[in-house]
Parts: sequence; C-alpha cells; structure tokens
Amino acid sequence: DAGITQSPRHKVTETGTPVTLRCHQTENHRYMYWYRQDPGHGLRLIHYSYGVKDTDKGEVSDGYSVSRSKTEDFLLTLESATSSQTSVYFCAIYGNTIYFGEGSWLTVV
Amino acid sequence: QKEVEQNSGPLSVPEGAIASLNCTYSDRVSQSFFWYRQYSGKSPELIMSIYSNGDKEDGRFTAQLNKASQYVSLLIRDSQPSDSATYLCAPYNTDKLIFGTGTRLQVFP
Repeated sequence: DAGITQSPRHKVTETGTPVTLRCHQTENHRYMYWYRQDPGHGLRLIHYSYGVKDTDKGEVSDGYSVSRSKTEDFLLTLESATSSQTSVYFCAIYGNTIYFGEGSWLTVV
Repeated sequence: QKEVEQNSGPLSVPEGAIASLNCTYSDRVSQSFFWYRQYSGKSPELIMSIYSNGDKEDGRFTAQLNKASQYVSLLIRDSQPSDSATYLCAPYNTDKLIFGTGTRLQVFP
C-alpha cells in the first residue's frame, strides 16, 4: 500500500464551524490532491499541491482552503462548514501513478 | 459537455462473461489514462493505466485507447462476482486526474 493516511476518518460537525482534514504521506512525493465524492458527481478535485507552499485550485474549490508547509502533509480546511460540504473526502498522492487514501467521512449538521 | 463521460449503469453480466466498460473524454491534451475500481465505502484502487493507442493487457483486464476518437475502454474477461464494483475512468491532464462519474458493474452468478 502507498504510504498515505488521512485523519480524521470520520467527523460530525456543526454548520459554521471550521474543520481541518489532514493528509499525510511517507513517500516524499511532490504532488498531493484533495477530492470529494458525492452520489451522481463522482470524484471532483478540490485543490492540489505540486510542492511545499505550491497549491492550485480544482473544479470545486469554493469554501475550501489548503496548506502545505511540509512535503508530507497536505491540509484541507473548511473555514465555515456548510451542509453542502457533507461528503467523503479523499486525499491522493502521485508517484508513478495516483494513489488514494482511505477517505474521510464528514457530516455537517 | 462533461470532460469525462461514462455510462452510470448498472451493467449486469453473468459470471464468466466479458464486461465492457466505456469512457469518452473531451480534452485532446490528455496523454495518460487510468482505470480505477471502487468498492462501496472504499477508496478507488488503480487497475490499469494506458498511454499509447491500442490495447494493453494485464491478466483478465484489457485497456483500449483511441486518442483520435477520444475513447478509452476496459474489458474484463471471465468476470467474477468479486468484480462487482464501480469503475472510474480518469484522463491525466496538466498534473491532475479528472474523473468520470463511473460505471457500476454487477456480475451475477
């Protein structure tokens, strides 16, 4: 298995609260990604990073921010969670191909 | 037009048959293509990648790519009930994977 872990794996939070999801890799890969997956929409890219402090937006970046201060960690923050951000969030890393973490299930009530 | 289009299914095939999964994409720049399998509640796992026009075989799986037609497919020979899952097509373009919504495959005994 690729060395990629996500935390927390499950979280329930209230509308309006900030939430941070963490993706940690042990592979020293340059590229890291955050996707969300919802029924009927498939996997949609939120943000990605191509190096420390280098990030770019994906197709559904509104309401999300990211940070990458170390190669191994890529953080996804929901500044003020909304019910529409209830989803499964997958982190991925790119070595010779793209591998996914196990996912973080987020429920915003 | 969506960037990546897949028939959502379900595609139902009997055990032992060939399952054919299709995908079209709109971006002519994409050079690499990936097929992922995703079981319910799990993260996507890579099945195959293909970069050149033609066929690429790996065990029971064959990926086919036609860049002129912007078409990629996945054949699964001798389908097994354990192949029942959602199959995601993803062209790789400009440092990121863009996913289709996936095709749900059901293999019945």
